[in-house]
Amino acid sequence: NAGVTQTPKFQVLKTGQSMTLQCAQDMNHEYMSWYRQDPGMGLRLIHYSVGAGITDQGEVPNGYNVSRSTTEDFPLRLLSAAPSQTSVYFCASSPMGTGNTIYFGEGSWLTVV
Amino acid sequence: KQEVTQIPAALSVPEGENLVLNCSFTDSAIYNLQWFRQDPGKGLTSLLLIQSSQREQTSGRLNASLDKSSGRSTLYIAASQPGDSATYLCAVRADRGSTLGRLYFGRGTQLTVWP
Repeated sequence: NAGVTQTPKFQVLKTGQSMTLQCAQDMNHEYMSWYRQDPGMGLRLIHYSVGAGITDQGEVPNGYNVSRSTTEDFPLRLLSAAPSQTSVYFCASSPMGTGNTIYFGEGSWLTVV
Repeated sequence: KQEVTQIPAALSVPEGENLVLNCSFTDSAIYNLQWFRQDPGKGLTSLLLIQSSQREQTSGRLNASLDKSSGRSTLYIAASQPGDSATYLCAVRADRGSTLGRLYFGRGTQLTVWP
């Protein structure tokens, strides 16, 4: 049972480069989200989606773009990477209905130099 | 805005001790509260989920309580073991307006259990 799969696990980018972090889930969950985790800051919500074609901004959306063309996939795009985007990124999913457990991927470690 | 605080930030104890980790939140309008475990270099693993209408949940040596009106939750770990060493995160799921359904996380308690 794969659960929530994130790729790549590690990535080094140069300032100004763009890239996409991939997230896929095989549990048919409607709700998917992206968080970043920084030392001393905890996890902060970047973007989320409640179903295919529906996305919304979280707490720290600037510099990131998302789309949701299928139920399974929720990629996160960095448009022009900045050193401030060096972080660990987590994708999460859950069924709709806020009483349900949220499942997290293993994380993607991104360094912007 | 919902704020979640976890105390203590770090805890180091000998094996066998019973532990209490604390979590507080500022807005009682929550759907549920979830405790996670995070091992170094890994993702988050859900330990316990307490619905807003519940007072506690138990799983093995873990027991989590929720006092929604006072904005507090505790995670009790019985008979701690070195394998319990990890960071424990508390998160509440919002029940209000534009933040409906969002998770708000505390910064975690880093637990070390030594043999």
